Amino acid sequence: SAVISQKPSRDICQRGTSLTIQCQVDSQVTMMFWYRQQPGQSLTLIATANQGSEATYESGFVIDKFPISRPNLTFSTLTVSNMSPEDSSIYLCSVLTGQVEQPQHFGDGTRLSIL
Amino acid sequence: GQSLEQPSEVTAVEGAIVQINCTYQTSGFYGLSWYQQHDGGAPTFLSYNALDGLEETGRFSSFLSRSDSYGYLLLQELQMKDSASYFCAVGGCNNNDMRFGAGTRLTVKP
Repeated sequence: SAVISQKPSRDICQRGTSLTIQCQVDSQVTMMFWYRQQPGQSLTLIATANQGSEATYESGFVIDKFPISRPNLTFSTLTVSNMSPEDSSIYLCSVLTGQVEQPQHFGDGTRLSIL
Repeated sequence: GQSLEQPSEVTAVEGAIVQINCTYQTSGFYGLSWYQQHDGGAPTFLSYNALDGLEETGRFSSFLSRSDSYGYLLLQELQMKDSASYFCAVGGCNNNDMRFGAGTRLTVKP
């Protein structure tokens, strides 16, 4: 399976600032996704990162708050903008390699705390 | 839309067998996956069922019945290290649109 590296692994940020999370994969993948996991909760899909076009956002998530880039088939970024304490969460990227019946694999996540 | 139901907590002793059930309602279905997540860790893929029946991988097995919209994860010979949260997830076309259950917190006691 693909090796997924996420940076930073954790951060503590001030209210009103923005943070960009990077996701790097060691091989080309067809699909990249961004999830959020709030403390003690399940994973919620934020958006699908599309290579060469705008990301596809799920209900409740908007581009102004969570701008996403995917310049190529191995890299994506998620920015959490104008952060508030409610954004404190784990943010995870996941990938699909494109193999038949290949499930999603996750990076180690970014643990974000907003003061 | 999609919804998944799984128990919130399960407790068992070392060496025992545990079954974690998952029922789902989806507008499209491609497969049922199971993930394990230890506290502070990332979700780790455990197993995947696209067709009805049982898939066995070592101590872990997973079952799917598409007609019943139901599956389960079976953990045998439980070890302390199996204490974790277990998530079932269903995917739409080609597992692109994967949705996760709320998770089952498994506690293994000596």
